Amino acid sequence: QLVESGGELVHPGGSLTLSCAASGFPFSNYWMHWVRQRPGEALEWVSRIHSDGRTISHADSVKGRFSISRDNAKNTVSLQMNGLRVEDTALYFCVRGATEGSPPFDLWGQGTLVTVSS
Amino acid sequence: DIQMTQSPISLSASLGDTVTITCRASQKISNYVNWFQQKPGKAPKLLIYTASSLPSGVPSRFSGSGIGTDFTLTISSLQPEDFATYYCQQTYNTPITFGQGTRLDIK
Repeated sequence: QLVESGGELVHPGGSLTLSCAASGFPFSNYWMHWVRQRPGEALEWVSRIHSDGRTISHADSVKGRFSISRDNAKNTVSLQMNGLRVEDTALYFCVRGATEGSPPFDLWGQGTLVTVSS
Repeated sequence: DIQMTQSPISLSASLGDTVTITCRASQKISNYVNWFQQKPGKAPKLLIYTASSLPSGVPSRFSGSGIGTDFTLTISSLQPEDFATYYCQQTYNTPITFGQGTRLDIK
């Protein structure tokens, strides 16, 4: 399973770190992603990180502000969020990505809510 | 960025109906399309991957097809639990992008 934490109310310009704890599967074999959903809106992919932690991609909307990382020894993936904007308000999901022989995006956490407001 | 355009945006159907949702990519993306179902207050659930593959545990009334730019999700014999919002997604390249969603409700 995937369990996110760290979401809270933060002021514009502030910082926040989201964490995702994985269990029940060989975490170090999988890409991991963050996907967000603003209230009442569609899903938006945010970031991804390769199983070895060396290949990383971010959506243009967060590039330069958000940073994804992982600790394969602790089975965790994190999203460091800086320079938060009102439009970053969303439910953030941690999602298991691809590995050989396994469907991608097949395991989602329950989400953690980030609210950016003054 | 690759745009994924779903249609229709909303759809009303009756129990037992067969419905089709389409997704058009703004460029060719081979078969790198996944489909998700989302119910209110819940995380999305993977329904179809690589355009036509069914994950373990997903009922066979769900099927997907397409390659290149045009993709479809078909739900046969609608059940009460199928009324939800459906999203397509492309993983051909980054940024990974989703369609805007199709809301399926009961007529």
